[in-house]
Amino acid sequence: DAGITQSPRHKVTETGTPVTLRCHQTENHRYMYWYRQDPGHGLRLIHYSYGVKDTDKGEVSDGYSVSRSKTEDFLLTLESATSSQTSVYFCAIRGDSDTGELFFGEGSRLTVL
Amino acid sequence: AQSVAQPEDQVNVAEGNPLTVKCTYSVSGNPYLFWYVQYPNRGLQFLLKYITGDNLVKGSYGFEAEFNKSQTSFHLKKPSALVSDSALYFCAVRDQENDYKLSFGAGTTVTVRA
Repeated sequence: DAGITQSPRHKVTETGTPVTLRCHQTENHRYMYWYRQDPGHGLRLIHYSYGVKDTDKGEVSDGYSVSRSKTEDFLLTLESATSSQTSVYFCAIRGDSDTGELFFGEGSRLTVL
Repeated sequence: AQSVAQPEDQVNVAEGNPLTVKCTYSVSGNPYLFWYVQYPNRGLQFLLKYITGDNLVKGSYGFEAEFNKSQTSFHLKKPSALVSDSALYFCAVRDQENDYKLSFGAGTTVTVRA
């Protein structure tokens, strides 16, 4: 158990509304990640963080922003949700080994109508 | 740039038969390679990794993977599949020079029939 909690686990919202997903970790890891999972695409990196207030973009960052004001929390925000952002979102932390394997939360399923 | 290909969307095997899930990768430097498994409505679970050294890596639940540098492959194997191995499997790669990014394949759905 990597001590990762995602909330909410399920959310249905309407196009144009803001949405924030939260990832909380209990083990003080430096690196945190947000991925989205879509059929046929596997997991694609949205944003990642390498420390408090230190974040960078991944390969599918358009329409998303992130914030990390505390080590334990990494927030993903959709400023104005679109139907193309309907997906399952996974938070991950990087383990302590040098090889950088990731450990994932249980996912947040977002439906944008 | 780094990328992963999993050429099979689905693999179907009978229980007790050997299971192979294929993965090929592309990195500019030396790779770190990983396999993950995902059960329905769950997050990804780490199975095993290749760092360096022995080309045959052993992991959780009786799985192993064979690294082949010349073929840039990292196939996942299990000698005798179980019905409970039915899941979605992901291969992932990280360039050893890339400190932060893990790239995933599209995934392979494994179905083991009784």
